[in-house]
Amino acid sequence: GAGVSQSPSNKVTEKGKDVELRCDPISGHTALYWYRQSLGQGLEFLIYFQGNSAPDKSGLPSDRFSAERTGGSVSTLTIQRTQQEDSAVYLCASSFSVGGRADGDEQFFGPGTRLTVL
Amino acid sequence: GEDVEQSLFLSVREGDSSVINCTYTDSSSTYLYWYKQEPGAGLQLLTYIFSNMDMKQDQRLTVLLNKKDKHLSLRIADTQTGDSAIYFCAEKAGANNLFFGTGTRLTVIP
Repeated sequence: GAGVSQSPSNKVTEKGKDVELRCDPISGHTALYWYRQSLGQGLEFLIYFQGNSAPDKSGLPSDRFSAERTGGSVSTLTIQRTQQEDSAVYLCASSFSVGGRADGDEQFFGPGTRLTVL
Repeated sequence: GEDVEQSLFLSVREGDSSVINCTYTDSSSTYLYWYKQEPGAGLQLLTYIFSNMDMKQDQRLTVLLNKKDKHLSLRIADTQTGDSAIYFCAEKAGANNLFFGTGTRLTVIP
């Protein structure tokens, strides 16, 4: 497809289980970003990738959260031992480049994965 | 750290102008953005402004930036029911990631 896709669109899990969220960026985009949108709050930056490496992991809320990107394309965000406070919409975005472009390096967002932890 | 604030709700009548306000804290912001999120959809970039500009107009949208007060606004002229959505202000203070506000839910009353 032409846009950023994410799967699953909805995920319901039990507290303590691990979950894996997937993001397929736009082909050719080198940068990939993960954000979390909680009810009544703004978007919280989690992590970004330039290629396969993640220079900035400062936004990950705890060591239960990890992310990887392979082949400069697909990324997975893994949450181990999920907690109820992890319930949120997890948004992925990609951009053609990172930093320095005059047009602002527009980030294109996927539709998100709604995670509900019971 | 960066802090971006917006009011949570705004209601306007169809045909009126909407003004959505945003304040930010990081004076080193390079770009400031407005994103729109419709129900069940991802975020869509509406417009952005470079920090050395004070105004940008794009059809029905006008962005005003007061860098001294760190205040950004989005004006939507002739607001339509299709403009009902959540509008996020965001700043790009570092090299890459964006810092978003809480979003303002715009409701357009027919």
